[in-house]
Amino acid sequence: EIVLTQSPGTLSLSPGERATLSCRASESISSSYLVWYQQKPGQAPRLLVYAASSRATGIPDRFSGSGSGTDFTLTISRLEPEDFAVYYCQQYGSSPLTFGGGTKVEIK
Amino acid sequence: QVQLQESGPGLVKPSQTLSLTCTVSGASISGGGHYWSWIRQHPGKGLEWIGYIYYSGTTYYNPSLESRVTISVDTSENQFSLKLSSVTAADTAVYYCARDCCGSGDYFDYWGQGTLVTVSS
Repeated sequence: EIVLTQSPGTLSLSPGERATLSCRASESISSSYLVWYQQKPGQAPRLLVYAASSRATGIPDRFSGSGSGTDFTLTISRLEPEDFAVYYCQQYGSSPLTFGGGTKVEIK
Repeated sequence: QVQLQESGPGLVKPSQTLSLTCTVSGASISGGGHYWSWIRQHPGKGLEWIGYIYYSGTTYYNPSLESRVTISVDTSENQFSLKLSSVTAADTAVYYCARDCCGSGDYFDYWGQGTLVTVSS
């Protein structure tokens, strides 16, 4: 199975700053079949980005995804108070579907 | 608006079978076009895909759990269910049901709120 490693584990930033989250795969993910979710405490994950770089419906354009092969990035251009949460990547290029361990974006 | 709601016991004894049901509203499972999944999240940890089912009954399971998992569908009730046998404390988790976006068993656009299942005597 494809193992996804997210870094850093925790990112401490202030509102208005830029956040860069990394997701590295143990092998190449076909056709950039990678998504990003946001999860807040007590809530289910929310889809942010699919196919590595396409924003899901209703997601603000401060969220952007990039990457291919084994290295993927989620960038939040300017952090809003509601963006402090845990972010997960997930690959759907091969079975079983797998998730990364998450990056927590916390207020500095 | 598509909504999913998990239901079932919040406490299961070790060695018993965990049983959960997901009731779908706003979409018809029998309409096809989507796979319906179970995903779990251990306390304070990441997410683990358990498996999914199509309205026809076709299933795919995570090999790590395949020997203990059964997912079934009841299209008349617009529900699908999870059974996980021989549970241990390691199966304590929040269990989510979710819909895949596009019918290829890919990623998830709608999720239930999740239900905590604790395995303890």
